[in-house]
Amino acid sequence: QKEVEQNSGPLSVPEGAIASLNCTYSDRVSQSFFWYRQYSGKSPELIMSIYSNGDKEDGRFTAQLNKASQYVSLLIRDSQPSDSATYLCAVRNTGRRALTFGSGTRLQVQP
Amino acid sequence: DAGVIQSPRHEVTEMGQEVTLRCKPISGHDYLFWYRQTMMRGLELLIYFNNNVPIDDSGMPEDRFSAKMPNASFSTLKIQPSEPRDSAVYFCASSLPGKGTEAFFGQGTRLTVV
Repeated sequence: QKEVEQNSGPLSVPEGAIASLNCTYSDRVSQSFFWYRQYSGKSPELIMSIYSNGDKEDGRFTAQLNKASQYVSLLIRDSQPSDSATYLCAVRNTGRRALTFGSGTRLQVQP
Repeated sequence: DAGVIQSPRHEVTEMGQEVTLRCKPISGHDYLFWYRQTMMRGLELLIYFNNNVPIDDSGMPEDRFSAKMPNASFSTLKIQPSEPRDSAVYFCASSLPGKGTEAFFGQGTRLTVV
């Protein structure tokens, strides 16, 4: 089992819709969770971080964490074509500084 | 700050040659990470440093790979000898200490070994 699992997609949504991206992780001692966005040919850039159970909102983005289910999600409201990218889920475990990344979900927002 | 700076941006080399990738972290960041990204394996950690000291090199594929951080503002990743399967995008990232601090990535070096 991979440490961090994501559906590779592509996830296709129409412009203006809500895109829902999901991630599961295997290590129960994971303490910090991050969503990065990566455009084709570019480097990953941070969108959201979350550390506690529940929801965290930032503009059109909402991160959701459920530690009991070992599940993290990212919701993108009012999706725009410019949101089309690969979204990487990353986890930081207790005692280890480095992030472990999932393989990413490719999102396509159709105009 | 200019962000994490990597060089070169692109490198094409012949199998068996030595390749050196360079990274300058963000000033004041005391963690530095080297990642490799391929279609097959995604983004995987190779090694990371804290205050110039290697902390975890378990991701380094084999002895052909070595990394150094001689000072707080410079790190290298060396592959000797290079092989076609080393072809990938190599990212350097840096971060501050603390629970909530993110890793900032450089633009990456696209390595092609022919």
